[in-house]
Amino acid sequence: DVKVTQSSRYLVKRTGEKVFLECVQDMDHENMFWYRQDPGLGLRLIYFSYDVKMKEKGDIPEGYSVSREKKERFSLILESASTNQTSMYLCASSLFSPRGYEQYFGPGTRLTVT
Amino acid sequence: DAKTTQPNSMESNEEEPVHLPCNHSTISGTDYIHWYRQLPSQGPEYVIHGLTSNVNNRMASLAIAEDRKSSTLILHRATLRDAAVYYCILRAFGEYGNKLVFGAGTILRVKS
Repeated sequence: DVKVTQSSRYLVKRTGEKVFLECVQDMDHENMFWYRQDPGLGLRLIYFSYDVKMKEKGDIPEGYSVSREKKERFSLILESASTNQTSMYLCASSLFSPRGYEQYFGPGTRLTVT
Repeated sequence: DAKTTQPNSMESNEEEPVHLPCNHSTISGTDYIHWYRQLPSQGPEYVIHGLTSNVNNRMASLAIAEDRKSSTLILHRATLRDAAVYYCILRAFGEYGNKLVFGAGTILRVKS
């Protein structure tokens, strides 16, 4: 059974802290994604990666960075957390294909920055 | 990214079919139509996708208009477990990143 796991379901951090959100997939997928989801704004893409050490900015990359050192793992980094980064963070993965394969999502991490 | 328009919410009775519409009048010839759904407190889940022809899988059917400017997701017999937000998304052919742009979606409520 396909699986995308995220390191925490709930996380509380203080303003200014460096925050790492980890995502691991066991499907040998090339593509991995980080989204955030906020009420009224839906899901918005932060960053994605189509290969190890490769990354592309999504629609809202400001205040975030990512790391992909291994194929199965994609990390989202908040260099200095701010209250407006309080949100639900969702990781996803998919096969690489121009035809479009489905994305598999993790359960999400609800991050609160105080 | 081409835009999609969906109703904010819909209601259905259990065991009845549900037709969820989506308008995408600016769709290009290479855009695939994807549907995802998100159950409460979970990440989105892939439902179905298609390009021109109607598609069926174990979860649902996708009916695509001949001019491709609209599509309909069909749940053949709604259950309480189908209550979710349903997203209709267009994805361009050839983008290596397989990027999806989620809109607001349709909240489906199922009554017993």
